[in-house]
Amino acid sequence: SSELTQDPAVSVALGQTVRITCQGDSLRSYYAGWYQQKPGQAPVLVIYGENNRPSGIPDRFSGSTSGHTASLTITGAQAEDEADYYCNSRDNNGNHLLFGGGTKLTVL
Amino acid sequence: EVQLVESGGRLVQPGGSLRLSCAASGFTFSSNWMHWVRQAPGKGLVWVSRINGDGSSTFYADSVKGRFTISRDNAKNTLYLQVSSLRAEDTAVYYCARVLTGYYVGYWGQGTLVTVSS
Repeated sequence: SSELTQDPAVSVALGQTVRITCQGDSLRSYYAGWYQQKPGQAPVLVIYGENNRPSGIPDRFSGSTSGHTASLTITGAQAEDEADYYCNSRDNNGNHLLFGGGTKLTVL
Repeated sequence: EVQLVESGGRLVQPGGSLRLSCAASGFTFSSNWMHWVRQAPGKGLVWVSRINGDGSSTFYADSVKGRFTISRDNAKNTLYLQVSSLRAEDTAVYYCARVLTGYYVGYWGQGTLVTVSS
């Protein structure tokens, strides 16, 4: 399969921990990247590789992988974390990039 | 500072063509793979195409193969996407992008909107 599957929507209470998941066969071979996108803005990479954060990304964001499922965890979600989150990987041929369908995170 | 600035998006009729451009600055353009990613209104991100540093290697999503052509002019630090035989489903914001490392897109332009409608 050359697809990445995400739950369409997830909610979390302010200050609590939330996990957003992404499933796909390619994740058995490649670590997922995770992107945050707020309305009207370009996406921002928040996690890449095994569990790396680009400069400026808060340490409440972390990533993990188990089998064909990658997870983005936000520990102590803040109001500003409300956004759409996308995972990405590459297909098993290595030639194409893949994006998941996105998860809309609501912070209650 | 890495900057990517897209242009060229507009309203076009079904079956029409146009060329999108992306002016890059703040890094060694010719040393980097570059990508186009699109996002239909209210929908998710979809990878479209990528090209290597000297333009000799290109890849396309199945949905655009044969209709879109990616290219670059390293002397002008500019990436292009020629889009043709446009369909309503090609309506989207088209982002120019550069990876941070591997296949992780670390740099995005602001996007340019292509609307396909009669």
